[in-house]
Amino acid sequence: GQNIDQPTEMTATEGAIVQINCTYQTSGFNGLFWYQQHAGEAPTFLSYNVLDGLEEKGRFSSFLSRSKGYSYLLLKELQMKDSASYLCAVREGAAGNKLTFGGGTRVLVKP
Amino acid sequence: EPEVTQTPSHQVTQMGQEVILRCVPISNHLYFYWYRQILGQKVEFLVSFYNNEISEKSEIFDDQFSVERPDGSNFTLKIRSTKLEDSAMYFCASSERLGTSDIYEQYFGPGTRLTVT
Repeated sequence: GQNIDQPTEMTATEGAIVQINCTYQTSGFNGLFWYQQHAGEAPTFLSYNVLDGLEEKGRFSSFLSRSKGYSYLLLKELQMKDSASYLCAVREGAAGNKLTFGGGTRVLVKP
Repeated sequence: EPEVTQTPSHQVTQMGQEVILRCVPISNHLYFYWYRQILGQKVEFLVSFYNNEISEKSEIFDDQFSVERPDGSNFTLKIRSTKLEDSAMYFCASSERLGTSDIYEQYFGPGTRLTVT
């Protein structure tokens, strides 16, 4: 089976930068996704990595190292609306294309 | 922007009753999924569906669960005899294709909160 670990909670100040780490153990790796989830709402797609390196998308960047089973999501210029849970999810290369999620990291942005 | 829709937003049912959760995936998407999230826990995969058949299912998706695409737009999840532990938020998702080297991210619907009493 898969094992995906990420910190439970992080606190940061408005305007600052926060880095959310995710480690995973899986077979048949076929991509790592980051989703944002506000309380009581659906996950929304943020970023995707399948090759090693950094992907930048506005204020959000995500990094992947397949050899280390490691990814991080970097949130820059934090805004109050960024307070949410951030979910790391690994896609396997099996027929079903399922996503296996970590427990999520709740980020609290303070003024 | 196209989106996945789900009905109802909240369903309350008694233990042992059957429930059907409904989803309308994005119209040009070919792959459909159900996930669930028990309150305070992680999102868990239930089943994926393509070309009118199940592609993959998890251990959670036992004989009490079934999925169907009854027409060209709806995708349903049926739980035959609900248990207390089935109480969760159920998310439907869809993707344009299978991801290989391309993204083909899964788009999630707003969820149906199922409460079994």
